[in-house]
This record gives sequence, C-alpha cells and structure tokens, in this order.
Amino acid sequence: EAGVAQSPRYKIIEKRQSVAFWCNPISGHATLYWYQQILGQGPKLLIQFQNNGVVDDSQLPKDRFSAERLKGVDSTLKIQPAKLEDSAVYLCASRLAVGPVSYEQYFGPGTRLTVT
Amino acid sequence: AQSVTQLGSHVSVSEGALVLLRCNYSSSVPPYLFWYVQYPNQGLQLLLKYTSAATLVKGINGFEAEFKKSETSFHLTKPSAHMSDAAEYFCAVTDPGGYQKVTFGTGTKLQVIP
Repeated sequence: EAGVAQSPRYKIIEKRQSVAFWCNPISGHATLYWYQQILGQGPKLLIQFQNNGVVDDSQLPKDRFSAERLKGVDSTLKIQPAKLEDSAVYLCASRLAVGPVSYEQYFGPGTRLTVT
Repeated sequence: AQSVTQLGSHVSVSEGALVLLRCNYSSSVPPYLFWYVQYPNQGLQLLLKYTSAATLVKGINGFEAEFKKSETSFHLTKPSAHMSDAAEYFCAVTDPGGYQKVTFGTGTKLQVIP
C-alpha cells in the first residue's frame, strides 16, 4: 500500500513570510497527526485529527499556525507569519484509528523548513 | 503528564558489539511504550512496542526491549550491531486511554564503527 505522502520535501522562506505543507495519509486512516521536529529534539505533537475533527491542538501556536483536514482525508498545515524558530522538520503521520495500540502510526518523510 | 528520558544523545559501538540504548519513563498510569528508528531524511519507523503483555518485546531488525516497572525503564538492545543500524532512535510513551497522544524522547544517535 502507498505510504504517507508529504510535500514539499524542502522549503526555504524568509521570516514573516507564509508557508503551507500538505499531507496525504494512508487510505482509510481516520487519525492524522502533525509533528514538529526541531534539530536535536524528538517530534512534538502539534495537532491530532480524528476524521476531520480536531482532538488535540494544545501545543499548536494558534496565533501563527493553522491546520485543516477537509473531508477527513488529506491535510494542510500553514504558518503565517513564519519566525526563525519555526525552522524544523514537519512530520505527518496517520493511523487506522485511535483504539487498539496494534494500530501503528505511519510517518511520512517530512518537510524540512528553513526560515532565514 | 507522561514523559520519557533518553540517556545519551550519542552512542558509539563497534560493529558486532552489543547495542544498549536507555529509556526511562514517567507516567501516572501503566503506559504503552515504543521505540522508533529514524534514518537520515526519512520519517520514523516503529521498531517495537510494549502493550502490557509480555515484558520482553521483540522487534524488527533483531532489536528487543524489556519493560521493567520497578526501574521505570524500557531499554533497547541488540546483541550484535550492524553498520545498517546507524540511525537515530526515539523512545515514546502513550496513555492507553483517551486519544492516545504520543510523547517522544529527545533521541539517541547511534554510530556503528567498522
């Protein structure tokens, strides 16, 4: 089966500019996650969707970050305006459903964002 | 709140030597625990998971981990390191209930010396 797709793979922008990332999860996966991975750190959950509803966005900087998952399938994450500290890899992951832990999270390759 | 601590941001071993990557967790409820591997410019891949069944868990690529409640540890081991094991390894914890938010450790970069 096809894995989690993300685009673009790399993006360089100047501070105060806007940027958007796209994620297409594995077909049929109800749960979708966006993580921020700063160099030298582990992934930090930004937002978790269950179908097209948000179930956890407690660590999303809502003054500049937004995310949506239209029709419960693919998702976009936007940053507006970007700051230098937003430089990181943004990982998307999907999971069949919340519930049995046998349902594994599958990660995409990530988008590496550099803010100059 | 749950958390994991990975001791050692960098570990070096010789090819064929034992690999030991340390992870200690903090959780108010019996947790589920995971080890993930990340190769350069790739996403994370699940190595193994503990879900309150057997305390010794075997994963892919010859890795295994043992859940020790008394030590709040979930260390990852492999008897004999291979060059292809060079990567970054993340320990993670989740609460079995609710929406199962996963919290990751800061990672350990494994270097394998020929």
